[in-house]
Amino acid sequence: DQQVKQNSPSLSVQEGRISILNCDYTNSMFDYFLWYKKYPAEGPTFLISISSIKDKNEDGRFTVFLNKSAKHLSLHIVPSQPGDSAVYFCAATGDYKLSFGAGTTVTVRA
Amino acid sequence: GAGVSQSPSNKVTEKGKDVELRCDPISGHTALYWYRQRLGQGLEFLIYFQGNSAPDKSGLPSDRFSAERTGESVSTLTIQRTQQEDSAVYLCASSLASGRGGTDTQYFGPGTRLTVL
Repeated sequence: DQQVKQNSPSLSVQEGRISILNCDYTNSMFDYFLWYKKYPAEGPTFLISISSIKDKNEDGRFTVFLNKSAKHLSLHIVPSQPGDSAVYFCAATGDYKLSFGAGTTVTVRA
Repeated sequence: GAGVSQSPSNKVTEKGKDVELRCDPISGHTALYWYRQRLGQGLEFLIYFQGNSAPDKSGLPSDRFSAERTGESVSTLTIQRTQQEDSAVYLCASSLASGRGGTDTQYFGPGTRLTVL
């Protein structure tokens, strides 16, 4: 029973353009949402998070948007850079356990 | 400072053998978690330690899986009588205190890739 879904397994974007990654969840008990970034042979690294009391959180080139009524969140990366090429995982929690989506592989083309 | 480390990085074993996977969390982190990632899937929660106690073992898939933590530091995940479906990347994470996953960032190790032949 997958509670967090990332329906796009991959995304290709031109350097300098915007990358938009989407994530849907089903558990209404989730109140904190995170994005992790993963390079090959490394563990996931925390990128940005958002509490359910907010609808937007921005950190440099990264912005996360939360639409609670739709149970949907998205990550915007502007502008995309070659070093952003990685797998991005959406995660959600209502306590200490993180529930993860399957990931979206982002490729930034020069 | 040192991050979360895991060993071995890769383990190939035969079906039916036992394996031990090790995690060294960030020093001072009281909360420790094990997850696994099967091919093409997201990370699945296995077990959570607060100090040396495991208040939540709900994610362990069967009684062949066990884990312990000693000295509020190193943790070992043991899989007995391995099966092919146990093949996955096993990831360990640690966080500073309460383990409230949202507000207490979990830092991940590089994982152990387990292949059961």
